[in-house]
Amino acid sequence: SQTIHQWPATLVQPVGSPLSLECTVEGTSNPNLYWYRQAAGRGLQLLFYSVGIGQISSEVPQNLSASRPQDRQFILSSKKLLLSDSGFYLCAWSDQETQYFGPGTRLLVL
Amino acid sequence: AQSVSQHNHHVILSEAASLELGCNYSYGGTVNLFWYVQYPGQHLQLLLKYFSGDPLVKGIKGFEAEFIKSKFSFNLRKPSVQWSDTAEYFCAVKVATDSWGKLQFGAGTQVVVTP
Repeated sequence: SQTIHQWPATLVQPVGSPLSLECTVEGTSNPNLYWYRQAAGRGLQLLFYSVGIGQISSEVPQNLSASRPQDRQFILSSKKLLLSDSGFYLCAWSDQETQYFGPGTRLLVL
Repeated sequence: AQSVSQHNHHVILSEAASLELGCNYSYGGTVNLFWYVQYPGQHLQLLLKYFSGDPLVKGIKGFEAEFIKSKFSFNLRKPSVQWSDTAEYFCAVKVATDSWGKLQFGAGTQVVVTP
């Protein structure tokens, strides 16, 4: 069966520091991959999606970037974190019909 | 771009009460519809989905949802809730022809079931 992992689970970072969140999927090949940010009372906002290695599309302009160095690995990055980057980040994979979500990373920028 | 509206942000009800959560979307073409649930401390997980066919779909844990195309709605229902149904519920919409599979989510409804 397929599983999706995210790490770290929780992260506290100072403003201006870099960020790297990792997401990996097991048990499937060539999945569509997605990064979301979840904010209280605002649902999930799609940040990036990828349909293959090296293919990244961005939904909203922001301080973040994404990369897909391997088929089942999706990375969310920032060179310099802002206070507004705090939030709960979810990774998801899709079997062309349904999206399945990881456990998320809670990021606090101080 | 399509949008998804969930009518209630917070719902509090007693065990055995009936639950109905509203979801409306704004897109005139064919859509795929989803309800996800996030229990406290757990992953976001799929509750049910509609792609085509019978507009009344049944999901896990006794939930069901009805797609009413003329009203652009996909309301979630459960006849008798339990304390374990306390969670946040999200409606999501995908344009059926979107090969990227992108989902548009509603803001979510926090449901609290009291014993």
